[in-house]
Amino acid sequence: DAKTTQPPSMDCAEGRAANLPCNHSTISGNEYVYWYRQIHSQGPQYIIHGLKNNETNEMASLIITEDRKSSTLILPHATLRDTAVYYCIVRVSNAGNNRKLIWGLGTSLAVNP
Amino acid sequence: DGGITQSPKYLFRKEGQNVTLSCEQNLNHDAMYWYRQDPGQGLRLIYYSQIVNDFQKGDIAEGYSVSREKKESFPLTVTSAQKNPTAFYLCASTIGNTIYFGEGSWLTVV
Repeated sequence: DAKTTQPPSMDCAEGRAANLPCNHSTISGNEYVYWYRQIHSQGPQYIIHGLKNNETNEMASLIITEDRKSSTLILPHATLRDTAVYYCIVRVSNAGNNRKLIWGLGTSLAVNP
Repeated sequence: DGGITQSPKYLFRKEGQNVTLSCEQNLNHDAMYWYRQDPGQGLRLIYYSQIVNDFQKGDIAEGYSVSREKKESFPLTVTSAQKNPTAFYLCASTIGNTIYFGEGSWLTVV
């Protein structure tokens, strides 16, 4: 699975949109982009994933560039409870490859009142 | 509610003792995983199991052991051979593309 690059930390004002970037320049055509977040002392929580098209769910939106070398996770109206570490992961859509996932350090998002 | 339950949440161990961390899931997932997370570091894979009665070493298996006698359960034993066991341990499971995690267990060696 390809490696990703994320900024170590970001700040966002409460109520504003939080845009978290991720670079995955070596992504392969069959690799998906996944986002998870981890609140302190808890297990990571699945947020969203996508292959080529932009995706939206009740938690966030995922924007993937046309060349698929980067993506942005958007939290449209950040709240204090969104303060967490956000992980961007790319992986092949195959359950057998879960063992090969590379979890980096993610982006520590601080939502400020 | 379906999910992954880890216990205990906090555990203290004396040096030289073995301890076992419990992981139970009622999601009917085939594959289960144990990760270790140290402060300021990403998750590292200890062991994984794709099916009952089968498991494989991950990237940092030394000093750990597991069993998978039931689909729902994947306990992790931290043995005295693990030289630096103080960490946050996460159990996960998956039946497809998405990984689901438990709430984690903090292990501290005193």
